[in-house]
Amino acid sequence: DAGITQSPRHKVTETGTPVTLRCHQTENHRYMYWYRQDPGHGLRLIHYSYGVKDTDKGEVSDGYSVSRSKTEDFLLTLESATSSQTSVYFCAISDKGTTGGELFFGEGSRLTVL
Amino acid sequence: AQKVTQAQTEISVVEKEDVTLDCVYETRDTTYYLFWYKQPPSGELVFLIRRNSFDEQNEISGRYSWNFQKSTSSFNFTITASQVVDSAVYFCALSVVNAGNNRKLIWGLGTSLAVNP
Repeated sequence: DAGITQSPRHKVTETGTPVTLRCHQTENHRYMYWYRQDPGHGLRLIHYSYGVKDTDKGEVSDGYSVSRSKTEDFLLTLESATSSQTSVYFCAISDKGTTGGELFFGEGSRLTVL
Repeated sequence: AQKVTQAQTEISVVEKEDVTLDCVYETRDTTYYLFWYKQPPSGELVFLIRRNSFDEQNEISGRYSWNFQKSTSSFNFTITASQVVDSAVYFCALSVVNAGNNRKLIWGLGTSLAVNP
């Protein structure tokens, strides 16, 4: 199994509070991704990274920011959480992002915003 | 449009039945990749297979087989002699080149398979 850990795995927070989710990999893969999964919407890409300090927006990036200061860590921040950001968040890694490589996923982080 | 359609939202079968999960895609790319992922009740997403658009050979891995047909833009997944452990949501995905010349994955909405004893 690919070495990916997400933390926290579960979090309940209140509207307006900042939240940071962490993704840590031990595979030295170049590409890292943050997805959210919601019923009826499947998996939607929030942000991705193609290298240290190199990030780009996905299809649902509003309200989220990311940072990647080291190869192994990719942080997803909700500056001011809203109830619409209640979701399951998945981190994924790939060593061949631009050539259609497979993704390896973390176990997910369930976020509830009250 | 570039999209992936998994028309079967839910499928329920009895153990040992064969079951086929359909995946139909649309893309204007000539080079693309197709994937299947499995999401069991525990929640993690597990990579099953990747095919590129130039390789239409069918693939078999144990009880799993995949039928890729460019003529019908389909990449169907068959489980032979299904087992309870096959119960999961299965996602089909398509990798295409986006406007920034990077690849992006387009996901189907998934098919929930329930295998009953």
